[in-house]
Amino acid sequence: DAKTTQPPSMDCAEGRAANLPCNHSTISGNEYVYWYRQIHSQGPQYIIHGLKNNETNEMASLIITEDRKSSTLILPHATLRDTAVYYCIVRIYGGATNKLIFGTGTLLAVQP
Amino acid sequence: DADVTQTPRNRITKTGKRIMLECSQTKGHDRMYWYRQDPGLGLRLIYYSFDVKDINKGEISDGYSVSRQAQAKFSLSLESAIPNQTALYFCATSDPRLTGTQDRRSTDTQYFGPGTRLTVL
Repeated sequence: DAKTTQPPSMDCAEGRAANLPCNHSTISGNEYVYWYRQIHSQGPQYIIHGLKNNETNEMASLIITEDRKSSTLILPHATLRDTAVYYCIVRIYGGATNKLIFGTGTLLAVQP
Repeated sequence: DADVTQTPRNRITKTGKRIMLECSQTKGHDRMYWYRQDPGLGLRLIYYSFDVKDINKGEISDGYSVSRQAQAKFSLSLESAIPNQTALYFCATSDPRLTGTQDRRSTDTQYFGPGTRLTVL
């Protein structure tokens, strides 16, 4: 599975959009980009995933660059409850283990 | 996710004791996983099971064993607990069925339980 690089921490004002970047320059054509978040010691929560097209759901939007070497998770109107560690993960569907490789993620602090 | 439950939520035990952590799910997923999380190391896969008759070791299975009693239940055992097994343990489930559009045809998204905090003294 490709490795990802994320900034260790970011701040965002409540009500503003939070844009969390992720670099995955070694991603291969059959690897998906997944985003999870973990609110202090709780179980990781699935947010969104995509292959090459941009995706949007009720939680967030995922923007993947045309070369697929980076992506951005967008929380359109951040709230205090969005304070969490956000993990960007790339993986092949159908691999031997289907395991998720979690890096150290980005700690997003939403400020009032 | 309330569909995935773990018991106990917290446990303190002593070195050498046998411990069982249990995971139950009502999502109807065939695939289940056990991870552990240590500070600064992210989550690491211990064991996984793609169906009731399938058990596989993950990257850190030494010192652990599992039992898949039914589709909905996957237990993790520490036969003889040691202090470096102190960690947060998470169970997860997934479903590999096809969905949606070309780009999203393969989900197999993993959904996690609330975790068990285990301390081995």
